[in-house]
Amino acid sequence: DIQMTQSPSFVSASVGDSVTMTCRASQGIHSWLAWYQKKPGKAPNLLIYAASTLQSGVPSRFSGSGSGTDFTLTISNLQPEDFATYYCQQANSFPITFGQGTRLEIK
Amino acid sequence: EVQLVESGGGLVQPGGSLRLSCAASGFPFRSYAMSWVRQAPGMGLEWVSTIGGSGSSTSYADSVKGRFTISRDNSKNTLFVQMTSLRAEDTAIYYCAKDLAGGSYNFDLWGRGTLVTVSS
Repeated sequence: DIQMTQSPSFVSASVGDSVTMTCRASQGIHSWLAWYQKKPGKAPNLLIYAASTLQSGVPSRFSGSGSGTDFTLTISNLQPEDFATYYCQQANSFPITFGQGTRLEIK
Repeated sequence: EVQLVESGGGLVQPGGSLRLSCAASGFPFRSYAMSWVRQAPGMGLEWVSTIGGSGSSTSYADSVKGRFTISRDNSKNTLFVQMTSLRAEDTAIYYCAKDLAGGSYNFDLWGRGTLVTVSS
């Protein structure tokens, strides 16, 4: 199974800041990586797929990069609604696996 | 309206069974793979199972293999998961999720989830 490791587990930032979080796969997954935003009591929301493709309707302040084993999600100009937990997910092979999440909180 | 609505969750004793349903609307259901993803209390997201558009191909997480069975009724635009031999560690919110496109196994539409609690 492919293990997905996210870092940091927790990050604190202010409105208007930029933050970057990383996701590392235990083996190469090409660009088969997605990022989701999860808020308490709500369903996950797809932000990025194929490592860097912005899902329709997602603000352009979200961006993704990487290939192989190392990936990043960057959020620029943080807005109040961005404070949530972010998960990466590999779609290279079954079993599909998620990272453990990065929790983004307001400083 | 494009949506997924889960149902069938509840309280069940260890060793018991439960069948979850997910009603889809607003998109050509049979054209998309569908999946179940769960989130245990205080934990992260865990993929459970995926079924292809025709229903002929299925995959399962090791944690549920042999106990859960995913299926679909394309005539009724409904996804199912039959859960047997339930354990305390199966307690979670269960989400159904639609494949983005063409077997990408990225999930672009999610239901609101249904809570399954396994406890005596």
